Amino acid sequence: DGGITQSPKYLFRKEGQNVTLSCEQNLNHDAMYWYRQDPGQGLRLIYYSQIVNDFQKGDIAEGYSVSREKKESFPLTVTSAQKNPTAFYLCASSTTGMITEAFFGQGTRLTVV
Amino acid sequence: SQQGEEDPQALSIQEGENATMNCSYKTSINNLQWYRQNSGRGLVHLILIRSNEREKHSGRLRVTLDTSKKSSSLLITASRAADTASYFCATGGGGFKTIFGAGTRLFVKA
Repeated sequence: DGGITQSPKYLFRKEGQNVTLSCEQNLNHDAMYWYRQDPGQGLRLIYYSQIVNDFQKGDIAEGYSVSREKKESFPLTVTSAQKNPTAFYLCASSTTGMITEAFFGQGTRLTVV
Repeated sequence: SQQGEEDPQALSIQEGENATMNCSYKTSINNLQWYRQNSGRGLVHLILIRSNEREKHSGRLRVTLDTSKKSSSLLITASRAADTASYFCATGGGGFKTIFGAGTRLFVKA
């Protein structure tokens, strides 16, 4: 089955803790993305990567970090510097180009406890 | 401000009725896409319409694009309870340049 897998589905973080969200795809896509979704709002881009070993900040990168050591994997770390991390996080992948369709994972809901 | 803005924010209809959602955007685009999101799940791509197209169909979905008015509409015909979801338009240059609107929440009553 080709697709994009996020884990875990639910994640709880204590104050001052770093947590890492996993995203894996087997679609052979070069580009991968992390979005944050808050209730009643659209998706906001956190980080994106268009090729292995390269990534760029999106609109709301502060308090987050990523790595892209393998084409298939694009983990997101929510650091303690992110003051309001409670949200739904979505990972996506696509081919590169101007007219592309994004494939999304099922999301991770992160809650600060 | 966001590129794509959907209208209405929420829509409640009876099963069998048609549902129409609109999307307006601000700058020039080369394509516009519609996605669907079931509650607590990821987004699923529904349809893409290019800037040189005016209308596109896929099953019970019909999308129109009016570049002169910078607007698009998504029509779902003969709606079903299973169509209950949020629908997002996405505009921009593709990839990381894609901007998602806040979505229309559709509720189809059985």
